[in-house]
Order: sequence, then C-alpha cells, then structure tokens
Amino acid sequence: DAKTTQPNSMESNEEEPVHLPCNHSTISGTDYIHWYRQLPSQGPEYVIHGLTSNVNNRMASLAIAEDRKSSTLILHRATLRDAAVYYCILRDNAGKSTFGDGTTLTVKP
Amino acid sequence: EAQVTQNPRYLITVTGKKLTVTCSQNMNHEYMSWYRQDPGLGLRQIYYSMNVEATDKGDVPEGYKVSRKEKRNFPLILESPSPNQTSLYFCASSLNERGTGELFFGEGSRLTVL
Repeated sequence: DAKTTQPNSMESNEEEPVHLPCNHSTISGTDYIHWYRQLPSQGPEYVIHGLTSNVNNRMASLAIAEDRKSSTLILHRATLRDAAVYYCILRDNAGKSTFGDGTTLTVKP
Repeated sequence: EAQVTQNPRYLITVTGKKLTVTCSQNMNHEYMSWYRQDPGLGLRQIYYSMNVEATDKGDVPEGYKVSRKEKRNFPLILESPSPNQTSLYFCASSLNERGTGELFFGEGSRLTVL
C-alpha cells in the first residue's frame, strides 16, 4: 500500500511562507495527492489536492514533483490560524485512502 | 449547512458491551468512510462504502462492522469492544470514491473501552 512520510513538526514566523514537504515514493499512477489540516478537537479539513500538475486555491498551493514521488504544500503567508497538524494523503480511485503521520505546524507571532 | 454528523461525541463503555457509532451526511454523497486516530499512528482507514449496500475493508477492519442501508447513514458497529479499540473515530464522506473528491469529516467520536 502507498505510504506517505512527513516531518513531525515545523515552525514558521507569521506572514512568512511555509513549505510543508511530503514523500510518497510508492505512489501509483492513479493516486491523487490530498492535503488536509486538523485543528485541536476538530475533524480534518480539506486544503487542496492534485494529480500531476501544480494546483492553487485560495488556501494554499500544491507543488508536485515531476516523478510524483514527493509534493509540497505551500502556505504563502502563514497566520496564527494556520497553526495545525497537516496531513498528506493518497487517495486511489477505488475508495482507499492512506494518511501520513502529519506535520505539526507552529506559527510564531 | 453541509455536514457530517457523528454520535455520540464521547462514550465510555466496558469490554464486551456492543455499541454503535452513527454517522450521517446531508450532502447526498455516494462515498463514506470510517477512520480511527491514535497518538503516533495518525489516521487509519477502518471501512469504506462506495454506495448503498457496498462496503469494503480498509487497513484496520478487525473488530468492527459497518452497514450502508441508506445513502446518508454509515454506522460503525463494535460487536464486542476491547480496550485496544479505545480511540478517536472519524467519519467522512465524499461525492464519490474517486480520488478527485474532497473528503468532508465529522467532528469525531472519542471512545474509551474499560
């Protein structure tokens, strides 16, 4: 089964960009790369997803390596409200999803 | 408001006493899934359903049952709970089972089995 690997924790200063990496070297050709974030006492919340091309939305950008074995979630200007655990997930086209262990992002004022 | 609703949010029970955690979504989603979250292990998929009467095992199905008799509901059943099933459980739904769909999560159900 595909697995994702993420750093345990990262720190950022407020209003600076943050790059959260994820390795998924065993990704298959039909797996989508999703990112979610989880605030304390809440369920995970969708951030962004992609297949091969880089993606942008109002929350973040997703940069996907050409070989698809890694990806990076980019928060362009971190705010205190972005402090959360960020999960990189692989979703296949048959209902299975594999979560990484998540990266705890701390944002310093 | 679009949402996934889980009940109960908190439950303490004893070994062997059957319990059901309900999950309901109001978005007419075909796909629903259950996960458990444990410290140091992240979220792991228990069961998922691609439509009514269609369920499949995830990575950690042992000790759990599910059913999908209606599109909106996907209950998680613990026939004989054991202490190693103490965990935080999340239900999620998506438009379909394909990876293009965003997952919508409930707020979680914290279960303690004594």
